[in-house]
Amino acid sequence: VQLVESGGGLVQPGKSLRLSCKASGFTFSRYEMNWVRQAPGKGPEWLSYIAPGADPIFYADSVKGRFTISRDDAKDSVYLDMSNLRAEDTAVYFCARVTTTMVDGVIYKFDHWGQGTQVTVSS
Amino acid sequence: DIRLTQSPSSLSSSVGDRVTLTCRANQEINACLNWYQQKPGRAPKLLVYAASTLQSGVPSRFTGSGFGTDFTLTINSLQPEDFATYYCHQSCSFPPGWTFGQGTKVEMK
Repeated sequence: VQLVESGGGLVQPGKSLRLSCKASGFTFSRYEMNWVRQAPGKGPEWLSYIAPGADPIFYADSVKGRFTISRDDAKDSVYLDMSNLRAEDTAVYFCARVTTTMVDGVIYKFDHWGQGTQVTVSS
Repeated sequence: DIRLTQSPSSLSSSVGDRVTLTCRANQEINACLNWYQQKPGRAPKLLVYAASTLQSGVPSRFTGSGFGTDFTLTINSLQPEDFATYYCHQSCSFPPGWTFGQGTKVEMK
């Protein structure tokens, strides 16, 4: 299993950016995918989830209305379109695969992560 | 929102020590608790899921325990490669509102 992110960089406040994550080593279309970010010195923050077939989709409140997750199963890729970027969006952005285990209910776990891509929002 | 509080925020230990890290949730989360290890410049790596199940390939010196609101990750006989930051993560809620703790950094004494 390998996940490789790209698309990060330095962007001005209010601008947009698209992140990509290319998957390999597993049947991508069958898996739930996520974006998670980590600001300097902080714990990870879950941002967005997309199910197989792109339904359902969920977002954290911190990015709802500004970020859009999508997937292209033909390209084994998941994307994060980020708009109206703010300084507080500065972080390393990871894509992560989630899998489930049944133990007194459904347990979700991020079992594979990409290496991350740095997004810096600054004028 | 479910909040996770990890303690301590950092600790200093020596190779061979037994180390115990704690994660407390502000509400009951049954066994919906995972632990990750992160080294500088790297992605988090899943160590333990469902509070106590070791991920495939993770050394048996790592042990997770707990249920409800209080959880621990124990590292028996700390190895040089274990110096890292450890995060707990709750995945009880769906639709996702999954959250992480703020981390415990294990440093070399």
